[in-house]
Amino acid sequence: GEDVEQSLFLSVREGDSSVINCTYTDSSSTYLYWYKQEPGAGLQLLTYIFSNMDMKQDQRLTVLLNKKDKHLSLRIADTQTGDSAIYFCAEKDNYGQNFVFGPGTRLSVLP
Amino acid sequence: GAGVSQSPSNKVTEKGKDVELRCDPISGHTALYWYRQSLGQGLEFLIYFQGNSAPDKSGLPSDRFSAERTGGSVSTLTIQRTQQEDSAVYLCASSPALDRALETQYFGPGTRLLVL
Repeated sequence: GEDVEQSLFLSVREGDSSVINCTYTDSSSTYLYWYKQEPGAGLQLLTYIFSNMDMKQDQRLTVLLNKKDKHLSLRIADTQTGDSAIYFCAEKDNYGQNFVFGPGTRLSVLP
Repeated sequence: GAGVSQSPSNKVTEKGKDVELRCDPISGHTALYWYRQSLGQGLEFLIYFQGNSAPDKSGLPSDRFSAERTGGSVSTLTIQRTQQEDSAVYLCASSPALDRALETQYFGPGTRLLVL
């Protein structure tokens, strides 16, 4: 079945860039998403990318997609303490109804 | 406007009891999802409702789990004869599903269930 994998933990210093990586197995994945979950809150959609794109930039966020390697990354520039959260990668194909989520990467931002 | 709301926010129950978890989606959203998030785990899909179509129940882990969506709006997830392994955060999400390709989900804050 479909599978999405992420490293579970990442620590960075405030002001540095964070790069959160994700790999997926479904070659028919058409849409890929990044969600952020702050403590005690639900998931918030951060950004998404279509599979025919290589890169998408939105303010401090840059998403890179390597479709050949089925690798997705989220780069957060100038990471702030407010960026501390769990970041979920998710994929959805154009025919399915279900999203498949990774286990989430817990980002800790150190002062 | 109001987002997705869920109640209760926390629920502690004894093993063997039944629990009901409620989700109020964003008004007008036709699609509704239930997920389970266990400690240190990703989101596990449970069930999907879309308009008046038959729900996709393929993610329900056992027949102790069931869900309803009345009037195409509020949904209730019921867990019968709860077990300790049912302890998790249960997340609900709704979507306007206007564009099937870009079905952005809006998540509620979740219900934290603890089965003692």
